[in-house]
Amino acid sequence: EIVLTQSPGTLSLSPGERATLSCRASQSVSSSYLAWYQQKPGQAPRLLIHDASSRATGIPDRFSGSGSGTDFTLTISRLEPEDLAVYYCQQYGSSRTFGQGSKVEIK
Amino acid sequence: QVQLQESGPGLVRPSETLSLYCTVSGDSISSSYWSWIRQPPGKGLEWIGYIYYSGGTNYNPSLKSRVAISLDMSRNQFSLRLNSVTAADTAVYYCASGRGYFDLWGRGTLVSVSS
Repeated sequence: EIVLTQSPGTLSLSPGERATLSCRASQSVSSSYLAWYQQKPGQAPRLLIHDASSRATGIPDRFSGSGSGTDFTLTISRLEPEDLAVYYCQQYGSSRTFGQGSKVEIK
Repeated sequence: QVQLQESGPGLVRPSETLSLYCTVSGDSISSSYWSWIRQPPGKGLEWIGYIYYSGGTNYNPSLKSRVAISLDMSRNQFSLRLNSVTAADTAVYYCASGRGYFDLWGRGTLVSVSS
């Protein structure tokens, strides 16, 4: 099973700042089959990024994904108050597993 | 606009079978892949499995011995059965579209396992 480890556990930033979230895999994720989700309190997750860097339909361009192999990154270029959420990475190259999540707090 | 809605009992006794349904509106279930994912309270996400229009399935190896996902074309629904449940199966259960990544999710339904 591919284990995904996300860091940091919690990130506290001010509106307008840049957020960088990391997802590290225990083994290489084939074909960059990695996705990112946003889960706001009390809501279902929402797909942000698939195939490591492709934005899902309707996702603002301030969200971007990058990486390959075992190291992936989600960047929020300019934080907005509504970005308060937990962010999960997920791989689908070998079965499907999720990271434990990174919480973004807005100062 | 495609929407997914989970339904089923909110309480299941230990050792019994959990059964949930996902009704798809705005699209035919014969057009895609359909998945179940769960989230224990305050914890992360766990993929359970998916089914596709031909009826073929793929399950999480850790749950494979206890899980069955099936389609009901007449009702445009797919369902989840998880047998021999324990307290560790208490979670919010989500249905979603997709087999690799999951691009549309239901709101989720909380299932508690307790006597």
